[in-house]
Amino acid sequence: GNSVTQMEGPVTLSEEAFLTINCTYTATGYPSLFWYVQYPGEGLQLLLKATKADDKGSNKGFEATYRKETTSFHLEKGSVQVSDSAVYFCALSDTQWSNAGKSTFGDGTTLTVKP
Amino acid sequence: DAGITQSPRHKVTETGTPVTLRCHQTENHRYMYWYRQDPGHGLRLIHYSYGVKDTDKGEVSDGYSVSRSKTEDFLLTLESATSSQTSVYFCAISESGGEQFFGPGTRLTVL
Repeated sequence: GNSVTQMEGPVTLSEEAFLTINCTYTATGYPSLFWYVQYPGEGLQLLLKATKADDKGSNKGFEATYRKETTSFHLEKGSVQVSDSAVYFCALSDTQWSNAGKSTFGDGTTLTVKP
Repeated sequence: DAGITQSPRHKVTETGTPVTLRCHQTENHRYMYWYRQDPGHGLRLIHYSYGVKDTDKGEVSDGYSVSRSKTEDFLLTLESATSSQTSVYFCAISESGGEQFFGPGTRLTVL
């Protein structure tokens, strides 16, 4: 079955530091990959996505590249801000009939950015 | 923002009582989902729907039932609530089964 493994947290960084949150996946089909972000007390929001190999998703200074050869989709940001403090989830959805319509989520990585 | 609401937002109930949570969307999306989120367990799928009256189980469906009689509404029912069902419940919608849009969540406490 499908699975998503992401870097365990919590991650604590100083403002303006470089961020990487690792995500690797296992899928039987040709998945689309996503990063979601959850701020305290809120639901998840889509941060970025990539639908095929070598695609780069980007949004709000965050980037992630779909690497089929390493089955990875690592999240990066060059300079984090205090407002980036949140929980980040890596996820995939695939088109295989048995999994159609369902997504698989990682366990989430908590990021805290200190001023 | 996607038009998705959940009600109630907070609920405290007693063990053994029935509870129904409602998810309402205004986007006419085909797919709707119910998840629970607990510390140390991430996000777990309870049930989902791929159309009116078409539903399927997720990974933690025991003790829960769902119904979808209209495109816009997806109900989650706990027939007899237990303390292990204390959690934050999120509804989500998706047009194609790919990216999902989440509601604000319902915090349920079962005493």
